[in-house]
Amino acid sequence: AQRVTQPEKLLSVFKGAPVELKCNYSYSGSPELFWYVQYSRQRLQLLLRHISRESIKGFTADLNKGETSFHLKKPFAQEEDSAMYYCALRGQGGSEKLVFGKGTKLTVNP
Amino acid sequence: NAGVMQNPRHLVRRRGQEARLRCSPMKGHSHVYWYRQLPEEGLKFMVYLQKENIIDESGMPKERFSAEFPKEGPSILRIQQVVRGDSAAYFCASCSALSYEQYFGPGTRLTVT
Repeated sequence: AQRVTQPEKLLSVFKGAPVELKCNYSYSGSPELFWYVQYSRQRLQLLLRHISRESIKGFTADLNKGETSFHLKKPFAQEEDSAMYYCALRGQGGSEKLVFGKGTKLTVNP
Repeated sequence: NAGVMQNPRHLVRRRGQEARLRCSPMKGHSHVYWYRQLPEEGLKFMVYLQKENIIDESGMPKERFSAEFPKEGPSILRIQQVVRGDSAAYFCASCSALSYEQYFGPGTRLTVT
């Protein structure tokens, strides 16, 4: 079964501190992993995907197949990073549907 | 490009009524996904459609729910005889055949009283 787990419902850090949002997944094959972000009063939008291996807004995420994890990291959090973050998985082939975690609400305090 | 449009943004229905949720994909996108988000939960896949075809409806409840994506016009998610448990946010996403990156609409918040 495909499953995405985000163990932290809420995460609060101070501006300038490092932040890590955890994501673990369960999938028998080689999935594609994504991080989506939803800022206040805005729609859900793609932040990054593991295939592209790029850094967006200072965020990076590395796929660790051994630990089945795809944690999102940023070395120095900014207040504008406050948002809901969802980790998502897409399996190979099939309908390309996304399986989402429950999300982590990140608050960056001044 | 206005992005994915959903309407209405908020919908209130009494138990037993019908709810119709509309989704207009981004220009050039022929694939539509519907997801449901219950309170305190992540988005859960419901159905995947291409123009005039249902490709995957494995996430749709067996009864009362249906979806269509006609050749012309928006995709419609229809819920008949709504119950309180249908209260949720319903999100639509679209993508093109060339890139499977999904772009999300703002959602429709359904409240059943």
